[in-house]
Amino acid sequence: EPEVTQTPSHQVTQMGQEVILRCVPISNHLYFYWYRQILGQKVEFLVSFYNNEISEKSEIFDDQFSVERPDGSNFTLKIRSTKLEDSAMYFCASRSGTSDHEQYFGPGTRLTVT
Amino acid sequence: AQKVTQAQTEISVVEKEDVTLDCVYETRDTTYYLFWYKQPPSGELVFLIRRNSFDEQNEISGRYSWNFQKSTSSFNFTITASQVVDSAVYFCALSEASSYGQNFVFGPGTRLSVLP
Repeated sequence: EPEVTQTPSHQVTQMGQEVILRCVPISNHLYFYWYRQILGQKVEFLVSFYNNEISEKSEIFDDQFSVERPDGSNFTLKIRSTKLEDSAMYFCASRSGTSDHEQYFGPGTRLTVT
Repeated sequence: AQKVTQAQTEISVVEKEDVTLDCVYETRDTTYYLFWYKQPPSGELVFLIRRNSFDEQNEISGRYSWNFQKSTSSFNFTITASQVVDSAVYFCALSEASSYGQNFVFGPGTRLSVLP
């Protein structure tokens, strides 16, 4: 069964460093998403991406964040200059774009900023 | 604006007890989708069920059942004869059809502990 994959599973970085979180969505899916979950809290929407552009973003998704689909298979989330409060689990999800409104979530990347 | 409330922060039950997790949602859309996800200690989100706003039929899947009531904007989840492996955080989520990206809004989650 096709699945969303994310790498790395755990990333440790120092404050101020740039990080890139990688996701490979399900191959025929058209909509892509990033969500964030700070430890012990709820899952929060960051950004949705369709047709090579951002379709919607939350207040959390400020200028420090960017997304791109560089090669037609990967979907990346970049944090330019990480802060301690960026420490969280980051989930990627994809959706086919048909009548199936289910989003398929990846296993997550745990980002730790020290 | 869309919102999901899960009033129960934590629930503890003894194995074999039945337990119901509550979910109340707010939306102005007439077309929307409701979901339940399980997050075990390993951290991944495990899909449990999807319901669209036009389908109020309750569903049963093994020990799991869901009660969708539009009149009270609730989508409650019941585990019958709970087991230790059911221990996890459970999230209810809402997606509005009118939202361009149709992103999910998650509730705060309910942590279920099933004790042996």
